[in-house]
Amino acid sequence: GEDVEQSLFLSVREGDSSVINCTYTDSSSTYLYWYKQEPGAGLQLLTYIFSNMDMKQDQRLTVLLNKKDKHLSLRIADTQTGDSAIYFCAVMDTGRRALTFGSGTRLQVQP
Amino acid sequence: NAGVTQTPKFQVLKTGQSMTLQCAQDMNHNSMYWYRQDPGMGLRLIYYSASEGTTDKGEVPNGYNVSRLNKREFSLRLESAAPSQTSVYFCASSEYTGGAFFEQYFGPGTRLTVT
Repeated sequence: GEDVEQSLFLSVREGDSSVINCTYTDSSSTYLYWYKQEPGAGLQLLTYIFSNMDMKQDQRLTVLLNKKDKHLSLRIADTQTGDSAIYFCAVMDTGRRALTFGSGTRLQVQP
Repeated sequence: NAGVTQTPKFQVLKTGQSMTLQCAQDMNHNSMYWYRQDPGMGLRLIYYSASEGTTDKGEVPNGYNVSRLNKREFSLRLESAAPSQTSVYFCASSEYTGGAFFEQYFGPGTRLTVT
């Protein structure tokens, strides 16, 4: 099955950029996703990228995709304390019609 | 429009007790899912239901059963709870139309502790 890996923790200072990385094994997913989980809440779709794109920008968020290396990253510019959350990358498991998630990266933003 | 709702929000069980986690969605989605979230392990799929009347095992189905009661409701049952089932349980729903883009909508979670 699909394997999606992320580092577990990232700490940055308010105003800095944050970069969260993800690697995956199966490249059949047409879209790749980033979900955000705020404390005590469920997951919400944050952004996504079409697999034929290298980059997608959405306000403070930039998603980079390197298909050759099967590497996905999420950059948050001007990180705020409100960005503190767990960020999950996810790819589609087409057999189960469900998403396969990475372990999640906990982003801590220091004031 | 409440989205995906789950009950209860918190539960403490003793080893060997049984309970059912309830999930309902009001988005008329065909597909529903149960995941568990454990520290450092992300979300792992327990069971899913691609459409009303069907259920299938995910990655970690042992110790669980599910029922797709109707299109709106999908319940998860622990017949004999074990400490290893201490986790946060999330229900999700989606509408798979055969297209490439796919979004899952999540409930707020049930925090279960088994002592």
